[in-house]
Amino acid sequence: DQQVKQNSPSLSVQEGRISILNCDYTNSMFDYFLWYKKYPAEGPTFLISISSIKDKNEDGRFTVFLNKSAKHLSLHIVPSQPGDSAVYFCAASESGNTPLVFGKGTRLSVIA
Amino acid sequence: KAGVTQTPRYLIKTRGQQVTLSCSPISGHRSVSWYQQTPGQGLQFLFEYFSETQRNKGNFPGRFSGRQFSNSRSEMNVSTLELGDSALYLCASSLIGRSTGELFFGEGSRLTVL
Repeated sequence: DQQVKQNSPSLSVQEGRISILNCDYTNSMFDYFLWYKKYPAEGPTFLISISSIKDKNEDGRFTVFLNKSAKHLSLHIVPSQPGDSAVYFCAASESGNTPLVFGKGTRLSVIA
Repeated sequence: KAGVTQTPRYLIKTRGQQVTLSCSPISGHRSVSWYQQTPGQGLQFLFEYFSETQRNKGNFPGRFSGRQFSNSRSEMNVSTLELGDSALYLCASSLIGRSTGELFFGEGSRLTVL
């Protein structure tokens, strides 16, 4: 049973446009959500996070939105740059008492 | 500040063999987690150690085991290797555990089982 789902395995976006990566979760106990970015031959690196007490968190070009009623979060990248091309993983945890649960990832390709 | 170091980076084994992977966390980090990444499956949690104690274990068979030493370094072992164990094994460390959820990952050990 997959608790964190990223239903789009891949996404292509033109440079300068907005990239929107989506993530759904089934466990209503999750209250902390993170996005990680992974380049080939490297480990995932933390990108941005959001607590369930918020519905939006912004860091530069990256914004994460959380819709608790829909159990859905999304990562917006504006404007998209070729260097953003990577695999993005959504992850969730329960009050810091359980390990992070990751989705399968979405491969983003930003085309110049 | 040095990051998470995993060794070896690449290794090839045959079915039935066993393998030991090593992870040195960021200095001062006491929590080490291990994940398996396979194509199409994302990151699957294996186990987490904090202060030499296994705090959580994922849904993997008993062939997968791990330990943590007093200096926070961790090892994981897979015995009786199967073809399906071919994967990237990622180690991640954090300062005090999972309260913020943020993990710092190493580059991984890529295991190929023939």
